[in-house]
Amino acid sequence: AQSVAQPEDQVNVAEGNPLTVKCTYSVSGNPYLFWYVQYPNRGLQFLLKYITGDNLVKGSYGFEAEFNKSQTSFHLKKPSALVSDSALYFCAVRDMGGSGTYKYIFGTGTRLKVLA
Amino acid sequence: SQTIHQWPATLVQPVGSPLSLECTVEGTSNPNLYWYRQAAGRGLQLLFYSVGIGQISSEVPQNLSASRPQDRQFILSSKKLLLSDSGFYLCAWSVGTSSKYFGPGTRLTVT
Repeated sequence: AQSVAQPEDQVNVAEGNPLTVKCTYSVSGNPYLFWYVQYPNRGLQFLLKYITGDNLVKGSYGFEAEFNKSQTSFHLKKPSALVSDSALYFCAVRDMGGSGTYKYIFGTGTRLKVLA
Repeated sequence: SQTIHQWPATLVQPVGSPLSLECTVEGTSNPNLYWYRQAAGRGLQLLFYSVGIGQISSEVPQNLSASRPQDRQFILSSKKLLLSDSGFYLCAWSVGTSSKYFGPGTRLTVT
């Protein structure tokens, strides 16, 4: 079965510094990987996805993620963190559901706190 | 453009009372629809998904049920709420192989 792991419950970073939120995956076949962000009391917002192609995927709000097949990782990165980036971040992998639809398997989430 | 609505935004219900949460999608046809529950502001649990009107798949046995009476309407229900049903309920949609997009969520507190 497909799965993702987010090893850090919380990441603290100073404003202006680069940030990394880690995600590793376990899939059979080619992985379809996603990052979502959730602000307090809000739904999840799509940031970016990797399906195929370049290992460095660029997404919304200046975020990017690096797909590394040998390390089975899909870490989320941003060169310069903003206080407004503070939120809960979820990594997800797509799995097949019944009737030809897709399920997303989500990680447990990493809380990012950017300190001013 | 596509939009997804959920209501109500917040709800406080006593144990044993019924529940009905509604989700509607605009700007797309024949979407796949999903209900997730998020407990304690962390992990997401897939509850139900639907590929079409009247087609519901349940991921986990529980006190909840789902229905899809129209193409772009997805309803989460319960006949008798339990304390453990408290949480943040998220509806989501996708079409084909597209990414999944989430609604704003409903915070349910069962007292």
